[in-house]
This record gives sequence, structure tokens and C-alpha cells, in this order.
Amino acid sequence: KNQVEQSPQSLIILEGKNCTLQCNYTVSPFSNLRWYKQDTGRGPVSLTIMTFSENTKSNGRYTATLDADTKQSSLHITASQLSDSASYICVVSGGSSYKLIFGSGTRLLVRP
Amino acid sequence: SQTIHQWPATLVQPVGSPLSLECTVEGTSNPNLYWYRQAAGRGLQLLFYSVGIGQISSEVPQNLSASRPQDRQFILSSKKLLLSDSGFYLCAWSAGTSGYEQYFGPGTRLTVT
Repeated sequence: KNQVEQSPQSLIILEGKNCTLQCNYTVSPFSNLRWYKQDTGRGPVSLTIMTFSENTKSNGRYTATLDADTKQSSLHITASQLSDSASYICVVSGGSSYKLIFGSGTRLLVRP
Repeated sequence: SQTIHQWPATLVQPVGSPLSLECTVEGTSNPNLYWYRQAAGRGLQLLFYSVGIGQISSEVPQNLSASRPQDRQFILSSKKLLLSDSGFYLCAWSAGTSGYEQYFGPGTRLTVT
């Protein structure tokens, strides 16, 4: 069964600290993996998208990694800011399908 | 640049009432369009998918329906709402299928009472 699992479910960190969010997937065949940021009550916004051949991709203070062999991805946030408080969703696209498999997200709270 | 609009932003409807949510995309032509539902603490669930006018694919059996009367307009409807229809509804568009970015609208918060 195609699944995307994220951990932790929620996370609280102090402003300025770094954190890493995890994503494990069992989607096959694999096409690409995406990380989205979703503010409360808003639509998700794309942070990164990685294909099978990409190991790392950065977007400002956000760095995503992908290990296609172990089917794991991580999202590292550097020097967190209050505005980073949001849900971070890992999404996997399989093969040529339009269908995306969504994780349930990690809810991050950055405190001053 | 492309933009996607959804309305209304919030909606409170009684059980058994009809529903119509609208999504429009600007700045692109022949987009793929999607309707998702997000329940609290859950991942997004794809409800409908459309590759063109009048072409709708349904992902899950339910009392909702979708229509695409124009190239950049996607409508989600129901004849009679159920309590379980409450949730956050998101419309999205993409320029293609696999490998193409999906861009989400601002969402509609539906509460069925």
C-alpha cells in the first residue's frame, strides 16, 4: 500500500534553533518527493520538489534531503523564525500518475 | 503570473442543504484541476481530478460531485450535505501530471451543523 509517514507529529522549538523533520514512504513506482508548508487555515505552499536522482535541494533556510534507496526524506530548517510555525507536509508522486500521496504533516511551533 | 481563487473562504451549512464551492484559475490555459479535502490532523484526500472541460475523475465514492463548465473553472457540489462533509476544501492546479508542481488555492472551511 502506498503510504507516506511523517515524524514527529508535532514539534516545539525556540526561535533561532535548527530542527529536522522526517518522512518515510512506501510509494512505488517513485517519481518525485515534495515538501509543502501549510499555515493554519491556508493552502499548502511548495518548498522543494526532488526527483529520484536528487539528494539535496535547498530553498533559503529550508534544506530537503532524499535517500531513494531507504525511501526516506528529511526537511532541515536552519535558524528558525516565528514565521516558520506551520504544518510541513511530505508528498510523494508515483510513476506517471496525477495522484499525490500526502503525509499527515508535522506541526511545528517556534516560540520566542 | 498564475493565481488561483476559491470562494467562499468559510461556510456554515445545515445538514441536508446543498453546496457549491467555486475555484477559478487565472494566467494559464488548459490546467489540470483538483479538489482535495483535509480533515483535522489528516493528510489531504484527493476528491476529484479534471484534465479538461467536462472531464471529471472521481477518486472516492461520496455524496459530492464536481463539474468543469469552463477551462479555468472547477466547481464542487452536493445536493444534500452530511455532517461528515465538514472539512477544509482545497482546489489546486498543475500544468501537467507527474513531475509538475501543484499550486493550491486558499481553501474553504466548511462546517456542516
